[in-house]
Amino acid sequence: SAVISQKPSRDICQRGTSLTIQCQVDSQVTMMFWYRQQPGQSLTLIATANQGSEATYESGFVIDKFPISRPNLTFSTLTVSNMSPEDSSIYLCSVIRDRGGTGELFFGEGSRLTVL
Amino acid sequence: ELKVEQNPLFLSMQEGKNYTIYCNYSTTSDRLYWYRQDPGKSLESLFVLLSNGAVKQEGRLMASLDTKARLSTLHITAAVHDLSATYFCAVGYGGSNYKLTFGKGTLLTVNP
Repeated sequence: SAVISQKPSRDICQRGTSLTIQCQVDSQVTMMFWYRQQPGQSLTLIATANQGSEATYESGFVIDKFPISRPNLTFSTLTVSNMSPEDSSIYLCSVIRDRGGTGELFFGEGSRLTVL
Repeated sequence: ELKVEQNPLFLSMQEGKNYTIYCNYSTTSDRLYWYRQDPGKSLESLFVLLSNGAVKQEGRLMASLDTKARLSTLHITAAVHDLSATYFCAVGYGGSNYKLTFGKGTLLTVNP
């Protein structure tokens, strides 16, 4: 398995502010993903963050709103910019281990954001 | 665009009963994943299915994959209350742009 630490685990934010979520993995991984889970909903992929390249964003998500950094193979950040109540969600960092084998995807504990 | 459909979305069972959750997907995939999520928690990996005909079992849960039908099932045998959770299937696809698309999830409630 993979140990994935996310910070903060939860936060309450004011409308218009920005928050950066950190994701630290216990070993080097190539592929990291950021997902959003809105209340009572499934997971939606925001972007794929591979070290050494720009993040690849999914339809409906843009870099200005969700800038991502991936400075090395064990760390990434996701910033939620200019937040509104619609951004209240759980944000999850995930990594793939053993891509050529089972390719299991592991998740961090998530960062629960509430925007007032 | 890959679509993943899970059904049922809500499932209320009595302890001791059997039931199956279905996961259909719309395009070729190289992996099918099943996850469990407890309220307020992150996702726990249950199974990764790699090939046609793959079957994996863990306790009262058994997952299978039919790639020709683009269908995976999660079968619950003799349900117990501890199995109450939301179960998600997810389909992996893409080469260098590998990603997973999730189903909407099945909220399972096992009643005494």
